[in-house]
Amino acid sequence: SQQGEEDPQALSIQEGENATMNCSYKTSINNLQWYRQNSGRGLVHLILIRSNEREKHSGRLRVTLDTSKKSSSLLITASRAADTASYFCATETTSGTYKYIFGTGTRLKVLA
Amino acid sequence: SQTIHQWPATLVQPVGSPLSLECTVEGTSNPNLYWYRQAAGRGLQLLFYSVGIGQISSEVPQNLSASRPQDRQFILSSKKLLLSDSGFYLCAWADSYEQYFGPGTRLTVT
Repeated sequence: SQQGEEDPQALSIQEGENATMNCSYKTSINNLQWYRQNSGRGLVHLILIRSNEREKHSGRLRVTLDTSKKSSSLLITASRAADTASYFCATETTSGTYKYIFGTGTRLKVLA
Repeated sequence: SQTIHQWPATLVQPVGSPLSLECTVEGTSNPNLYWYRQAAGRGLQLLFYSVGIGQISSEVPQNLSASRPQDRQFILSSKKLLLSDSGFYLCAWADSYEQYFGPGTRLTVT
């Protein structure tokens, strides 16, 4: 079964707007990562946040982590048409096995 | 720099036929290797992962098997494909926390 579930499943916004995606997970984690997948392609790593961190930034990306609620959010600011893709969260459990469980993904469409 | 290769890119196979998908990594040594399957419009399902040669962990009991005959080679196999084996298969490697994905193989079982 999937550890993480993203919300919403699909999101459509206008270029220039901000996009927020949420991820909820079930068990304790070492870290949480966000990946991006363009249609029919492999995934690309975006950002990692460790369990002892609450917020992290990378360019137009902002990730928050609330371990008490077992949830994370990914904010993309000033979205561009090129941001159109599916976004997945992935969690590594505290076992430290480098085994990752991916969520179900949010399909983002940015309209020009 | 590191590179991950996966082939073939697409594959159409009849039910009951065997399968062999290959993944190789260049530019790193002793990586963790992963096989995932993605159904259309869905998330990734972890199938197998390996932390070293000959070490395979299976996550989902099914019609597939994996082998790691060399440090940077990971093979996904099946003796007899089922219709439910159709999907997008992704290989990935990691040397720490970040995973690097290959381009994927789209398998259609007919």
